Amino acid sequence: QSVLTQPPSASGTPGQRVTISCSGSSSNIGSNTVNWYQQLPGTAPKLLIYSDNQRPSGVPDRFSGSKSGTSASLAISGLQSEDEADYYCAAWDDSLNGYVFGTGTKVTVL
Amino acid sequence: QVQLQQSGPGLVKPSQTLSLTCAISGDSVSSNSATWNWIRQSPSRGLEWLGRTYYRSKWYNDYAVSVKSRVIINPDTSKNQFSLQLNSVTPEDTAVYYCARVDVTVADPFDYWGQGTLVTVSS
Repeated sequence: QSVLTQPPSASGTPGQRVTISCSGSSSNIGSNTVNWYQQLPGTAPKLLIYSDNQRPSGVPDRFSGSKSGTSASLAISGLQSEDEADYYCAAWDDSLNGYVFGTGTKVTVL
Repeated sequence: QVQLQQSGPGLVKPSQTLSLTCAISGDSVSSNSATWNWIRQSPSRGLEWLGRTYYRSKWYNDYAVSVKSRVIINPDTSKNQFSLQLNSVTPEDTAVYYCARVDVTVADPFDYWGQGTLVTVSS
């Protein structure tokens, strides 16, 4: 079961900004970096943000990440129809000695 | 470009062993800068990390607490691949299983994923 908590859904119209939160604890987000993944239907998750706020090559700069204390956020600015997907946060957990994932947020473009 | 190609049966009977393989191209299972992971996804459990294998002068494994007593992840250097064995499966183990790489030189993201294998546990 997921250890990191995300809102189940978020939505916006094209061009709007959408923010997704990820809440954890001192043993995961509070002491390790956060990564974000985008999952389109029927496909494997794709790395979107790593090390809290770094974008891999090829990821548009509309996607940005931030972290404060035991919470992290993913922002999508200039929302586009192709951004409609599920988004997950993840981090290493020192207490569990393993990776933990967020509950996932479904983004809908209205 | 790293590619991970999964193989294995999509149907396993209860109490039997689930076995999957992940073939690596573009990297080495013996790399000192990577770890090789198995992750599964189901509607009831979400995304769940199962464990990893990696080489740092010798082989290491880490397993999730939830499956530790039933799981084995093994590297196969001759075929440049790694495998997942999950014993004594129940219908709760029905999920899409993914293999994934972590490049430890850029923190710890899962940067490459296999295509996923839907495994159904049913008689």
